[in-house]
Amino acid sequence: GAVVSQHPSRVICKSGTSVKIECRSLDFQATTMFWYRQFPKQSLMLMATSNEGSKATYEQGVEKDKFLINHASLTLSTLTVTSAHPEDSSFYICSAITSGGAADTQYFGPGTRLTVL
Amino acid sequence: QQQVKQSPQSLIVQKGGISIINCAYENTAFDYFPWYQQFPGKGPALLIAIRPDVSEKKEGRFTISFNKSAKQFSLHIMDSQPGDSATYFCAATGTYKYIFGTGTRLKVLA
Repeated sequence: GAVVSQHPSRVICKSGTSVKIECRSLDFQATTMFWYRQFPKQSLMLMATSNEGSKATYEQGVEKDKFLINHASLTLSTLTVTSAHPEDSSFYICSAITSGGAADTQYFGPGTRLTVL
Repeated sequence: QQQVKQSPQSLIVQKGGISIINCAYENTAFDYFPWYQQFPGKGPALLIAIRPDVSEKKEGRFTISFNKSAKQFSLHIMDSQPGDSATYFCAATGTYKYIFGTGTRLKVLA
């Protein structure tokens, strides 16, 4: 149980375009989802926290107009990178907290590799 | 006070040996300490987690040792295997937001 999926797993886009990444909890309802960014050989950097039906809470230094987060249902959150530039190239990972299990356990998706040309 | 310090940065262990990774925290409000394993190009996977009411938790070859007074916790991988070669992250939380360590790249030699 507690499986989180992400789509797509890899995306290559041209500079200036927007890219949407989906995060789904497959077998549980996720009251809260998180979006992380990870640079090569580095730790996970929390970008934002999203709760179903409410606005996301962004970490300091994360541009909310560039990284749009929508948590439309208890099983789906989306991250849209708007007007992507090469410096946005990174590994993006979502995670979710189960509403019925160990409340403090975050289950992570497999990640999405974004490359902006 | 929000940092979690993880060491070593990298670790090489012979097959069958014991891998030990250490983490230290400062915030006494933290009450949940998970360890995650991450393979290249994949998301982190929960290995084992502990709460401060116990000093040790074992699941298969993986053991967490927890020292509340020293504010330290460690992951022990017994009988390490080449398939354990990955990056390991400790984390700490007192709410829902995780503070991650910097990661340890483990390589187990065959």
